[in-house]
Amino acid sequence: AQSVTQPDIHITVSEGASLELRCNYSYGATPYLFWYVQSPGQGLQLLLKYFSGDTLVQGIKGFEAEFKRSQSSFNLRKPSVHWSDAAEYFCAVGFLSNFGNEKLTFGTGTRLTIIP
Amino acid sequence: NAGVTQTPKFQVLKTGQSMTLQCAQDMNHNSMYWYRQDPGMGLRLIYYSASEGTTDKGEVPNGYNVSRLNKREFSLRLESAAPSQTSVYFCASSEVRLAGGPNEQFFGPGTRLTVL
Repeated sequence: AQSVTQPDIHITVSEGASLELRCNYSYGATPYLFWYVQSPGQGLQLLLKYFSGDTLVQGIKGFEAEFKRSQSSFNLRKPSVHWSDAAEYFCAVGFLSNFGNEKLTFGTGTRLTIIP
Repeated sequence: NAGVTQTPKFQVLKTGQSMTLQCAQDMNHNSMYWYRQDPGMGLRLIYYSASEGTTDKGEVPNGYNVSRLNKREFSLRLESAAPSQTSVYFCASSEVRLAGGPNEQFFGPGTRLTVL
């Protein structure tokens, strides 16, 4: 069965510093990978996704993620964080159900705090 | 477009009471999902509906029932609420996977449910 591990429960970063959030997955086939962000009291918003091709994927809000098959990882990065990036971040692996729709398995999330 | 809407936003129930959480989407998506979010556990899939007329269990279906009323609406019912069902509930929708890769799921703002 597929699974996603986000080893960091909480990360604190200074505004303007770089950020890397870790994600490791376990899945038997070629993975479809996603990063979602959840601002306080809000639903989830897609940051980026990977399914094939270039292993470095660009997303919204200046985020990028790199797929490394040999390490089963899909880490999220941002060169310089802004106070508005404070949120919870979820990595997910997607797989096709028997009905042909996308099902997602989520990691437990990483809460990002930004300090001035 | 409103996207995915959920009602109510907040609800407090007593143990044993029943209620239905409503979800609607206006993006003409075929697939809809119900998740619950608990601290430290990420999002877990309760039920999903790949298309109008079909539903299937997710990871944590016990204690819940669903109805895909039409293409737009997908409701979640708690027949006899228990304190263990205290959670934040998210509805999501997506299109079926196309040849170009996985489709993102669009999330509603959530319903915060407390069962006393």
